[in-house]
Amino acid sequence: GQQLNQSPQSMFIQEGEDVSMNCTSSSIFNTWLWYKQDPGEGPVLLIALYKAGELTSNGRLTAQFGITRKDSFLNISASIPSDVGIYFCAGQLFFGNEKLTFGTGTRLTIIP
Amino acid sequence: DGGITQSPKYLFRKEGQNVTLSCEQNLNHDAMYWYRQDPGQGLRLIYYSQIVNDFQKGDIAEGYSVSREKKESFPLTVTSAQKNPTAFYLCASSMLAGLLNEQFFGPGTRLTVL
Repeated sequence: GQQLNQSPQSMFIQEGEDVSMNCTSSSIFNTWLWYKQDPGEGPVLLIALYKAGELTSNGRLTAQFGITRKDSFLNISASIPSDVGIYFCAGQLFFGNEKLTFGTGTRLTIIP
Repeated sequence: DGGITQSPKYLFRKEGQNVTLSCEQNLNHDAMYWYRQDPGQGLRLIYYSQIVNDFQKGDIAEGYSVSREKKESFPLTVTSAQKNPTAFYLCASSMLAGLLNEQFFGPGTRLTVL
């Protein structure tokens, strides 16, 4: 099955720094979702995007639906220790598609 | 509380034994999904179901089986035919099958085959 390319694969940052990650595809998507997974737990939905160019915030998190519909971006401002985890993007190819395509994940580590 | 429950959290089995993982949701969601996650990797779809008594194979269905006899429940059986069953298994559900596919996940079951 197809997977989305996420970049970077891993990030090591200091507390308080801002974080940027992205997700790209060769296909056009109608919906982009961003999830966070803590170790040993299931992913939790952070933000859902439905329209090209859309910019949506959830607290310190901001995500954008790329204008080409082939990419999406997630930013975290002023990182804190509980931001540690793996961030996944997921896309729905078209409305009515029952499946999601998942990215390979970005692992975020905060250096003390 | 509304949500998705998976049990058990950890499961150990001997090679050659079938094992069934439980997934229950009380969100009144139509669609349910099973994913497999291996260390350092993303999620791979095993099976999904959009309505009761119907289900479809995902990308890696070989060696697995499912049933959907009730809307709330979607158990996954890992059979002895699955060559490498040790993994983290995640169940998910979504409200309107296929329309806006916001999937919500359970806490996962870690299966170790000895």
